[in-house]
Amino acid sequence: RKEVEQDPGPFNVPEGATVAFNCTYSNSASQSFFWYRQDCRKEPKLLMSVYSSGNEDGRFTAQLNRASQYISLLIRDSKLSDSATYLCVVPNMDTGRRALTFGSGTRLQVQP
Amino acid sequence: DGGITQSPKYLFRKEGQNVTLSCEQNLNHDAMYWYRQDPGQGLRLIYYSQIVNDFQKGDIAEGYSVSREKKESFPLTVTSAQKNPTAFYLCASSSLADTDTQYFGPGTRLTVL
Repeated sequence: RKEVEQDPGPFNVPEGATVAFNCTYSNSASQSFFWYRQDCRKEPKLLMSVYSSGNEDGRFTAQLNRASQYISLLIRDSKLSDSATYLCVVPNMDTGRRALTFGSGTRLQVQP
Repeated sequence: DGGITQSPKYLFRKEGQNVTLSCEQNLNHDAMYWYRQDPGQGLRLIYYSQIVNDFQKGDIAEGYSVSREKKESFPLTVTSAQKNPTAFYLCASSSLADTDTQYFGPGTRLTVL
């Protein structure tokens, strides 16, 4: 099983729709999780952090399900500008090493 | 403005040549990282450094080398031993107190001809 798995998509949704992505992780000891947004041919940028059951920031909600080892990202009232790839990120738990493990991303295309 | 810069943005190289990618940050971060991203893939860690004059291999270090002579700078050399060097290379930095929050540079897109 990959450390971090995501559905690559693409998710094609109309403006105003609600869309949700899931991400599963393999290490049950992981304590923190992140969603990054990456625009085409650009660097990833931190969108949200999830440390407990969930986090909400405007139209974006991230939720954590520890029992099933997945995190989700919900986007309400989708905008054209939300079109991007969303990367699920879990800190690497190796002793003495602090780096991030990235999922391969879920591509979202919001259509007018 | 505080940030992390990478140069060049696009780089072309002939097979068999070594090439060095620049990464500079003025965020006063101790930790710096190099990732590689292939189309449709997530980022994979090449090397990281938590202190000047020290660095550690990541998951895909073969064919790459780094140096950390200054806190602000973490250049990556892609050697001729790297079999598939064409990729998008991203440098990142973080404080040691919060290595989960990494700030990325704009990336260098390397193409081997």
